[in-house]
Amino acid sequence: AQSVTQLDSQVPVFEEAPVELRCNYSSSVSVYLFWYVQYPNQGLQLLLKYLSGSTLVESINGFEAEFNKSQTSFHLRKPSVHISDTAEYFCAVSKSSSNTGKLIFGQGTTLQVKP
Amino acid sequence: DVKVTQSSRYLVKRTGEKVFLECVQDMDHENMFWYRQDPGLGLRLIYFSYDVKMKEKGDIPEGYSVSREKKERFSLILESASTNQTSMYLCASSLRLGNYEQYFGPGTRLTVT
Repeated sequence: AQSVTQLDSQVPVFEEAPVELRCNYSSSVSVYLFWYVQYPNQGLQLLLKYLSGSTLVESINGFEAEFNKSQTSFHLRKPSVHISDTAEYFCAVSKSSSNTGKLIFGQGTTLQVKP
Repeated sequence: DVKVTQSSRYLVKRTGEKVFLECVQDMDHENMFWYRQDPGLGLRLIYFSYDVKMKEKGDIPEGYSVSREKKERFSLILESASTNQTSMYLCASSLRLGNYEQYFGPGTRLTVT
């Protein structure tokens, strides 16, 4: 069975500092990987995804994540955060052979950006 | 833009009541999903549907049922609400089988007293 572990439940950081949100997964088969973001009082939005190709993927608002197959990780990074990045971030995985689109989510990491 | 709407943002029900949570998507998506979100547990899949009248159990289906009579609408039913079903419920949809981007509604926060 697949599982996703987000190693930090809360990450406090000052504005303009770099941040890394960690995600590790376990799976015996090939996977697709996702980061979703949930702003306060909203549903989840897709931030970025890895399906194939380059192991480094980027979002439009400056986040990036790198798929590391040997370490089974998909950590999310941003070199300089803004107050508006305060949100909960979820890592998710899906079997690449699956035809149902089922996602397994991690526990979530709350990013708290302080002024 | 894809829009997924849920019938209520906040709902308070009593133990033993039958509860209906409604979800509608406006982009002709084939797949629809119901999750519950609890602090420290992330999102857990309750049920999903890949076509009208078709459904499959997710990871935590006990105490829940679903209905999909029309493509755009997916309902979650709590047959007899219990306090341990107090949670945030999120609906999502995706275009078709094998398409992995899921679009989420704003959620319904259900409190069972």
